[in-house]
Amino acid sequence: AQKVTQAQTEISVVEKEDVTLDCVYETRDTTYYLFWYKQPPSGELVFLIRRNSFDEQNEISGRYSWNFQKSTSSFNFTITASQVVDSAVYFCALSEALSQGNLIFGKGTKLSVKP
Amino acid sequence: NAGVMQNPRHLVRRRGQEARLRCSPMKGHSHVYWYRQLPEEGLKFMVYLQKENIIDESGMPKERFSAEFPKEGPSILRIQQVVRGDSAAYFCASSERGWNTDTQYFGPGTRLTVL
Repeated sequence: AQKVTQAQTEISVVEKEDVTLDCVYETRDTTYYLFWYKQPPSGELVFLIRRNSFDEQNEISGRYSWNFQKSTSSFNFTITASQVVDSAVYFCALSEALSQGNLIFGKGTKLSVKP
Repeated sequence: NAGVMQNPRHLVRRRGQEARLRCSPMKGHSHVYWYRQLPEEGLKFMVYLQKENIIDESGMPKERFSAEFPKEGPSILRIQQVVRGDSAAYFCASSERGWNTDTQYFGPGTRLTVL
């Protein structure tokens, strides 16, 4: 069965620390897509990244980087030199090839960055 | 380029009343998805619509909930005879082409409170 697990419920760091948010997924499909979304305190959902199952290259965007490891079914997200504005709930999500496009979300990790 | 619009942002209803939630997709998007977020939980898929068609309603409760996306106008999620357990944030997302190849962009959500 398809599933996304974000084992870390809450993480608290001090500004400028690096932090990694874990995401482990389960799927029977060989073709699938993985996503990260950010939900700041204001409540909206902000798209961060999409990765397909055939592309295992890591990606870096500014202070954000993503590590996709198919062998361990993980798609981890690292924030380098965290800032207070990074404080939010971060969701990892999975979309399978055989689905109609609906996203399966993890329960989210609440990140608090303290000054 | 306006994003996904949802209104109202906050909605308060008494038990037994009807709730109508509206969603206008991004310009050029004809695929709409509705998700529900219960407190401290991730988002759960409810329904996927294209113009005038319901593509996948596998996540919709069997009773009291319905959704439409008419040829003209926004998509509507309707909840009849609301109960306290319907209190949640309801998010709408849209995509350009549908299926899992596309990124879903989310609206700001409607927070429904049932008294």
